[in-house]
Amino acid sequence: GAGVSQTPSNKVTEKGKYVELRCDPISGHTALYWYRQSLGQGPEFLIYFQGTGAADDSGLPNDRFFAVRPEGSVSTLKIQRTERGDSAVYLCASSGSDTQYFGPGTRLTVL
Amino acid sequence: GENVEQHPSTLSVQEGDSAVIKCTYSDSASNYFPWYKQELGKRPQLIIDIRSNVGEKKDQRIAVTLNKTAKHFSLHITETQPEDSAVYFCAASPSNTGKLIFGQGTTLQVKP
Repeated sequence: GAGVSQTPSNKVTEKGKYVELRCDPISGHTALYWYRQSLGQGPEFLIYFQGTGAADDSGLPNDRFFAVRPEGSVSTLKIQRTERGDSAVYLCASSGSDTQYFGPGTRLTVL
Repeated sequence: GENVEQHPSTLSVQEGDSAVIKCTYSDSASNYFPWYKQELGKRPQLIIDIRSNVGEKKDQRIAVTLNKTAKHFSLHITETQPEDSAVYFCAASPSNTGKLIFGQGTTLQVKP
């Protein structure tokens, strides 16, 4: 079956702009996770959804970051007033049990 | 919160040799420990995982061991092949949180 997909694959934006990153999880997976991966580092947890609700958003760096999952499937990560330090690969993962399956990521570059 | 340390940061072995990567974690409540392989520009892919009620797990050339008392776990790859070259990440999941806390990664190079 289809794996986790993310769009866009690449996003280049200017400092101060707003961006939205989309994640389509594996069908039937109730848990969805967002991570951020900087060059040469391991993925860093941002937020975790169980169904439609955010079960743990302790990894969001500040209030410029927000994520939604209104129907318990697709999720959107929203970043307001982007800064150069937000440049990274944003990874989404979904799971039906313990195992998390990752999407290909969105590479965000803030100029 | 949970903290995961991974060593070494780089590892170079000859084809056919074994490779060992070690991780330590801080939260004794963590109960799930996956290992991911990530090739350049690709997504992390699960290669093996272990739960806290098991001490060792093996899948062909790959094995993982867990020492709960010492709070460390290791990945063992035997008979390495050039296609094993990649970055490997360990992770720990604090009990009932769902999230993964990753180590810093190990770049494995297998020389033909």
